[in-house]
Amino acid sequence: QQQVKQSPQSLIVQKGGISIINCAYENTAFDYFPWYQQFPGKGPALLIAIRPDVSEKKEGRFTISFNKSAKQFSLHIMDSQPGDSATYFCAASGVVTDKLIFGTGTRLQVFP
Amino acid sequence: KAGVTQTPRYLIKTRGQQVTLSCSPISGHRSVSWYQQTPGQGLQFLFEYFSETQRNKGNFPGRFSGRQFSNSRSEMNVSTLELGDSALYLCASSLALGRGQETQYFGPGTRLLVL
Repeated sequence: QQQVKQSPQSLIVQKGGISIINCAYENTAFDYFPWYQQFPGKGPALLIAIRPDVSEKKEGRFTISFNKSAKQFSLHIMDSQPGDSATYFCAASGVVTDKLIFGTGTRLQVFP
Repeated sequence: KAGVTQTPRYLIKTRGQQVTLSCSPISGHRSVSWYQQTPGQGLQFLFEYFSETQRNKGNFPGRFSGRQFSNSRSEMNVSTLELGDSALYLCASSLALGRGQETQYFGPGTRLLVL
């Protein structure tokens, strides 16, 4: 019940294309869903986060779509750029805790 | 404002030894969490500290321990090291305004290699 399942494991996209990464969870106590971006040799950095009271959140080229009934959420990267090449992690957290349960990660490669 | 700093950045130990890793959170942040990152298991939660108290603990053996000091700095200790403890150990800090779910800022990690 504590797991967050993430797919795909790796993704290759052409510059200008749309990158889509999906996550699913089981624990209905989760109510905070952040996405982190990690470059080699660096720690993860928060990209965008959503709470289940909204179905979509957009920040620049990054959008989270959230389906509470299906217990699924996804990250869309529009107009993907080579600089977006990194590993992306979805995560989930409950109330009054900073403990994050991470997905397994998606390695995104954007080719020019 | 300086980010989360972790020392040392790299460490090589042998089986059976113990190790202490240090984390300095962003100034003003009161919560510190630790994660272990490995290619096989991904990012796994170790501990969460707030106001010198352990608020949450992951599913790791008792060889893994931690503490937080009054200035919010934190240390984690791994005793009787095993080969499987080789990993990147990440520290994250947040403002911890009491609601949880604060943005966590990660440090660059300490890469531990156990031989």
